[in-house]
Amino acid sequence: NAGVTQTPKFQVLKTGQSMTLQCAQDMNHNSMYWYRQDPGMGLRLIYYSASEGTTDKGEVPNGYNVSRLNKREFSLRLESAAPSQTSVYFCASRSTGHLPHEQYFGPGTRLTVT
Amino acid sequence: AQTVTQSQPEMSVQEAETVTLSCTYDTSESDYYLFWYKQPPSRQMILVIRQEAYKQQNATENRFSVNFQKAAKSFSLKISDSQLGDAAMYFCALWENTGNQFYFGTGTSLTVIP
Repeated sequence: NAGVTQTPKFQVLKTGQSMTLQCAQDMNHNSMYWYRQDPGMGLRLIYYSASEGTTDKGEVPNGYNVSRLNKREFSLRLESAAPSQTSVYFCASRSTGHLPHEQYFGPGTRLTVT
Repeated sequence: AQTVTQSQPEMSVQEAETVTLSCTYDTSESDYYLFWYKQPPSRQMILVIRQEAYKQQNATENRFSVNFQKAAKSFSLKISDSQLGDAAMYFCALWENTGNQFYFGTGTSLTVIP
């Protein structure tokens, strides 16, 4: 099992460009999450998907859109990148079928917007 | 509102010594879980230990143990016999069974001094 995979690992964008961060999990998990990590601020939730076909906003959704393509895949799109979106992005998944509910994280994407 | 507070941005410990990382949280729920995650320089988020709120016994995983004080809403992590590989950022996280989100603290950067 690969667990949670993310592509790309690194990306540099110019202000105003768009891009999609891809995430996939092979653990048959129902819930998937997108976080951003900034120095001194921990992990902040951008969007999550409790199950296939549903998405909900987290703490910092502005400037982002998501798509839960199927049970395995959950993508994050930046339509018009801004320097404030320079961050490390993590995708995570979680099983809702049984305890103990911990999340499994992907390796992260370091995004720089110039 | 749910909050998780880590009041120690940085900590250091001598190799083979013991260190305790602090975490306090706020929740109105009675059924929840608490976690400590480790993030080494590789960026990968690794689950260190979990604690179910309904369990009075403190969780232990090898050299890692917690001091869970439910009434005080405190959840500290003790690392015994510290090793160089323990150097990392440590995040405390809260999960409420009635919700679908994790809440993370801002992290504590642990340095291990040889």
